[in-house]
Amino acid sequence: DSGVTQTPKHLITATGQRVTLRCSPRSGDLSVYWYQQSLDQGLQFLIQYYNGEERAKGNILERFSAQQFPDLHSELNLSSLELGDSALYFCASSDGYEQYFGPGTRLTVT
Amino acid sequence: AQSVTQLDSQVPVFEEAPVELRCNYSSSVSVYLFWYVQYPNQGLQLLLKYLSGSTLVKGINGFEAEFNKSQTSFHLRKPSVHISDTAEYFCAVSEGGGSNYKLTFGKGTLLTVNP
Repeated sequence: DSGVTQTPKHLITATGQRVTLRCSPRSGDLSVYWYQQSLDQGLQFLIQYYNGEERAKGNILERFSAQQFPDLHSELNLSSLELGDSALYFCASSDGYEQYFGPGTRLTVT
Repeated sequence: AQSVTQLDSQVPVFEEAPVELRCNYSSSVSVYLFWYVQYPNQGLQLLLKYLSGSTLVKGINGFEAEFNKSQTSFHLRKPSVHISDTAEYFCAVSEGGGSNYKLTFGKGTLLTVNP
C-alpha cells in the first residue's frame, strides 16, 4: 500500500460526458502528479501540482484540467469525453525523490 | 527532452533462469532512474531507484540494476526468476528531483515466467 488513494476505482461513462477523478496524496507529500496509461500511448505524464500550484504540464489535452485543494487532495476533470480517452489514470505523490503511485482509476468511455 | 527506450517488449523465460530487462535513456542533464513493476490489474510499485552514489542498485524481490553513464543504460537483472515475477516492468527517468520533476516512462517489458 503506497498511501496514495484514488477514487473511483472504475468509471464507465458515455462520449461527450464529464467526469472527475480524485486523488489523496500520502501524508506530508506536497506534490501530486497525474499520469495516463493507454495501450496506444503507454504511460504519459499529464500534469503536476505542488502545494496548490500548477508546476508542470505534459501531454494534457485542453479538455482536461486539474486542481489541488488546500488539504492537498487533487482532482482531474475530463470533459467532452471521447472513446480514445478510455485509459487507466494514475496519480502519484512525491517526497522529492520518489513517486508513490495510487491504484489508478480505470475510465471506460462507451 | 528526455526519453526512455526499453529494447524488448516481451521477454519469456523459464522459472529459475536469470533475466535481464534492458533500458536505455537519453537526457542532456544528470538523471534519476527508476524501475517500476505493474502486476495485472494493479498500480505501479517501485522496484529500485538510482539517485546517486554506487552504480549497482539493489531493490526488492531480488532485483538489481546497474547505472552505466557512458552507455546511458540502466538494465534490470535477477539471477533466478519465479512464476510470481510475471508482470510488466517499466523503466523511468527524471531530470533531477526536488519539488518539480516528472517521470518519463519507457513502453514497458512484459516478463512472462513459464514453469
